[in-house]
Amino acid sequence: RKEVEQDPGPFNVPEGATVAFNCTYSNSASQSFFWYRQDCRKEPKLLMSVYSSGNEDGRFTAQLNRASQYISLLIRDSKLSDSATYLCVVEGRGGADGLTFGKGTHLIIQP
Amino acid sequence: EAQVTQNPRYLITVTGKKLTVTCSQNMNHEYMSWYRQDPGLGLRQIYYSMNVEVTDKGDVPEGYKVSRKEKRNFPLILESPSPNQTSLYFCASSLGGQLYNEQFFGPGTRLTVL
Repeated sequence: RKEVEQDPGPFNVPEGATVAFNCTYSNSASQSFFWYRQDCRKEPKLLMSVYSSGNEDGRFTAQLNRASQYISLLIRDSKLSDSATYLCVVEGRGGADGLTFGKGTHLIIQP
Repeated sequence: EAQVTQNPRYLITVTGKKLTVTCSQNMNHEYMSWYRQDPGLGLRQIYYSMNVEVTDKGDVPEGYKVSRKEKRNFPLILESPSPNQTSLYFCASSLGGQLYNEQFFGPGTRLTVL
């Protein structure tokens, strides 16, 4: 059973549109949740942490549903520069720093 | 500048020739980790270290060794590389010891084993 599952996409979205991704995780004991962004052939970088109360950072909103064990990311007014792969990340083995990565959702913003 | 550095960035080698990929961080982080990334498989953890002289296996440790003699360095050693170790490797570090630690990644090492 996969620990963190994401739709790989690609999601082809016109510039200015709103797009949402979901991710499901299997470890109900997980405590920390994140979205990382990875550009082609580059290192992953933290986009935002996902708290139980949800959080918003500009055009990005992340939600956590512990009961259903899924995490969502909403991007409003999408920009060309949002094109990237978005990795859902859940605290896994090894304590608070043992992260498990989803395989990523590929987003392409089209002009 | 706070960063994680890896060397080399690109390496082409042959089966069986021992190699070491270095990783260094200047943020005084306790936790360090190595991942490999392969198409269709995502990022998988190889080894991690929660502090100096403390290392543990991740999900795919076979064929790899690590050491953590100093806090800032966490080299990845391939004693006898094989073609199935051709991959993109990332080193990462974080503060450690609490929830919601941001992991900072190095720029990656692209390894090809012929």
